Amino acid sequence: EAGVTQFPSHSVIEKGQTVTLRCDPISGHDNLYWYRRVMGKEIKFLLHFVKESKQDESGMPNNRFLAERTGGTYSTLKVQPAELEDSGVYFCASSQKGPYEQYFGPGTRLTVT
Amino acid sequence: SQQGEEDPQALSIQEGENATMNCSYKTSINNLQWYRQNSGRGLVHLILIRSNEREKHSGRLRVTLDTSKKSSSLLITASRAADTASYFCATDNNDYKLSFGAGTTVTVRA
Repeated sequence: EAGVTQFPSHSVIEKGQTVTLRCDPISGHDNLYWYRRVMGKEIKFLLHFVKESKQDESGMPNNRFLAERTGGTYSTLKVQPAELEDSGVYFCASSQKGPYEQYFGPGTRLTVT
Repeated sequence: SQQGEEDPQALSIQEGENATMNCSYKTSINNLQWYRQNSGRGLVHLILIRSNEREKHSGRLRVTLDTSKKSSSLLITASRAADTASYFCATDNNDYKLSFGAGTTVTVRA
């Protein structure tokens, strides 16, 4: 069974540019989550999808971040425009129905210069 | 706000020794999960312990949970070089989003 995949693995962009991160969850997992770890701090929740619906986006830092999950399959997280403080590792996770084990992808390391 | 806090922040042990790390949290939980992150890689789920469980084993891993003290411990027995990684506890308050601690970095010396 394929795990959670994320693309790209690493992105380097300049301040003010736009970046789109992609996450493909484990097939059949309705729940999809985005987390990020900034500057070696703790991993923080960003948002949670159930199928294509946003269940909880309380962790999204501001309106420069837009997440979508069209069709309830893969998800994208767009940062526009990127700021220096957005640098960090963005993780995606998925789980079956219910708050059970969340399976994480390898993460996308975003560097904003 | 940060829910889980791991202790110690870093741990260095000799191969074959046991490694113990602790996690404390602040609010009531549905379950507590431990994850491992090897350098440059994603988070790997190790074990989940529910709030009504006190101890759980998986291979060389042993997890305890004390809800009265709001704390958990992860014991890795007979450590190997491949156990070198960062270990995170994450709590689930039954609202799906995990709250992570800052992690414990474990180095296993050959």
